[in-house]
Amino acid sequence: DSGVTQTPKHLITATGQRVTLRCSPRSGDLSVYWYQQSLDQGLQFLIQYYNGEERAKGNILERFSAQQFPDLHSELNLSSLELGDSALYFCASSAGADQPQHFGDGTRLSIL
Amino acid sequence: GQNIDQPTEMTATEGAIVQINCTYQTSGFNGLFWYQQHAGEAPTFLSYNVLDGLEEKGRFSSFLSRSKGYSYLLLKELQMKDSASYLCAVRRLGSNDYKLSFGAGTTVTVRA
Repeated sequence: DSGVTQTPKHLITATGQRVTLRCSPRSGDLSVYWYQQSLDQGLQFLIQYYNGEERAKGNILERFSAQQFPDLHSELNLSSLELGDSALYFCASSAGADQPQHFGDGTRLSIL
Repeated sequence: GQNIDQPTEMTATEGAIVQINCTYQTSGFNGLFWYQQHAGEAPTFLSYNVLDGLEEKGRFSSFLSRSKGYSYLLLKELQMKDSASYLCAVRRLGSNDYKLSFGAGTTVTVRA
């Protein structure tokens, strides 16, 4: 158990819809990272937050947004969903940007 | 950007040794990580190298040569449970943040 909690574990929805994925980092970790993993793409970095502030952006679509709240949990919002958004979405946390990242179990998103 | 290359697949026998190579090209190199990922599960942190040389952790060892842009993960005394994907990840220091980029992963199959 990494200590990173993600909910829900599975999500099934339709094209055009909007969903919110939630992540609670390990106790004491200030940095939260979001990744997308699809079968043909590997782990792709989306976005990073540190203590409530956006720190780095990767290959995140404009239809996606995220935030980190004062209690350090984070949410990833995906809107106008397309079939290609079907993937595993992982959240990771670390004590600092220079520390190893520890991953949650992921949310499997299926778009029908 | 950066290129991270590792073999797609490797097969080995239970009890044997397997070496997974990773080569990378990046600016601002700031460390290399190895993660293990079983199918459909979260990546699990295995090892971290920032200086040249060998880091040993039980049955797993990781080596880094920064001048050659090269790392390897050595798995000894292979067990069936070691069948998984092994991800090489390179951390790069940007203007004010660290970014972690993952290779596509090497699927290791351990046979009896």
